[in-house]
Amino acid sequence: DTAVSQTPKYLVTQMGNDKSIKCEQNLGHDTMYWYKQDSKKFLKIMFSYNNKELIINETVPNRFSPKSPDKAHLNLHINSLELGDSAVYFCASSQDYRADTQYFGPGTRLTVL
Amino acid sequence: GQQVMQIPQYQHVQEGEDFTTYCNSSTTLSNIQWYKQRPGGHPVFLIQLVKSGEVKKQKRLTFQFGEAKKNSSLHITATQTTDVGTYFCAGSSSNTGKLIFGQGTTLQVKP
Repeated sequence: DTAVSQTPKYLVTQMGNDKSIKCEQNLGHDTMYWYKQDSKKFLKIMFSYNNKELIINETVPNRFSPKSPDKAHLNLHINSLELGDSAVYFCASSQDYRADTQYFGPGTRLTVL
Repeated sequence: GQQVMQIPQYQHVQEGEDFTTYCNSSTTLSNIQWYKQRPGGHPVFLIQLVKSGEVKKQKRLTFQFGEAKKNSSLHITATQTTDVGTYFCAGSSSNTGKLIFGQGTTLQVKP
């Protein structure tokens, strides 16, 4: 019974392609997040949704578009992939938006060739 | 903007030695959290500190929150090979509700 799941686990693609990563949580949490972890392990928040509403939108290229069809799902679509997009992308969830304990998914390792 | 700095970036210790990582924020924090990420894994929540000067223990791990609520530390006594991983602090200012992660300290333990 995985609490926060992501698909796919690995994604290898060519520059210029469009790809999506999906995330689902079965914890009944209201808030979900997308983080990017670079090769130096630095974890940077990208987006946060609370009850399907966007509440955090960091300085991220507009090629990245999150979508939350319901509060249990948060997907990330990336257009025109670039080499610099290669990283591990983590989805996370928390009970609410007030910087509560976050539960991370297993991560999606994206490699852009 | 709010920044959370963590040192050292890397630490190699012999099994049985102690280890400490330090976290400093540019602003006063409402709370600080610590996470551990095993190699190839994802961050896993360890603990949250909320009160000024708070000290919490989990077996061999001791967590402290500074009096001014701008710094924190994690101390591991008598490290074991199972302690290997990257330890992150993450802080939140009360006016944002957003967690800012430190750069992490990667711990290697030689058996």
